[in-house]
Amino acid sequence: DVKVTQSSRYLVKRTGEKVFLECVQDMDHENMFWYRQDPGLGLRLIYFSYDVKMKEKGDIPEGYSVSREKKERFSLILESASTNQTSMYLCASSPGGYRGNQPQHFGDGTRLSIL
Amino acid sequence: AQSVTQLGSHVSVSEGALVLLRCNYSSSVPPYLFWYVQYPNQGLQLLLKYTSAATLVKGINGFEAEFKKSETSFHLTKPSAHMSDAAEYFCASQNQAGTALIFGKGTTLSVSS
Repeated sequence: DVKVTQSSRYLVKRTGEKVFLECVQDMDHENMFWYRQDPGLGLRLIYFSYDVKMKEKGDIPEGYSVSREKKERFSLILESASTNQTSMYLCASSPGGYRGNQPQHFGDGTRLSIL
Repeated sequence: AQSVTQLGSHVSVSEGALVLLRCNYSSSVPPYLFWYVQYPNQGLQLLLKYTSAATLVKGINGFEAEFKKSETSFHLTKPSAHMSDAAEYFCASQNQAGTALIFGKGTTLSVSS
């Protein structure tokens, strides 16, 4: 089975801090994704990557950046955390590269609170 | 803009009753479609996917979905609900660029005994 592991289940940070959320997948997938999930809004795509060192903006990239130095690891960075970034963050991966149509496999999420 | 609409943010059924969760997509060409389930404090798990091979798709846990191009719908059904089916369900469509998924806002299914 595909395993997508997010480094923290719960995280509490203060406004203005730089926050790193880490995600690792063990199936050699080309594609990796970061979403945030908010009640009533579903999942919204922040960034995705279809190859090492490649990244593309999703629907809501403002206030976030990403890093993919190795194929298995995709990091989400909140440059200066704000309270409106309090949310559940979900990482996902899928095979196939750019324009792949395979299902995405999700981690268990990181519930981030910004105080 | 491409979108996925799930009708009803909350659906309640009795144990043993039919489950019907509605999903409509907007796309100029038949897309790849997916249903995911999310149990409390967990990530999303794939229930089933439509990739144009067959219009009726069977998934895990007794769920199935029917693709209807004329109605741009991909509704999820299960003949008999179990208490363990209580969760949030998301319908998703591949975007037209083929690079990512567009998710609906989710439907919470409650099952009462």
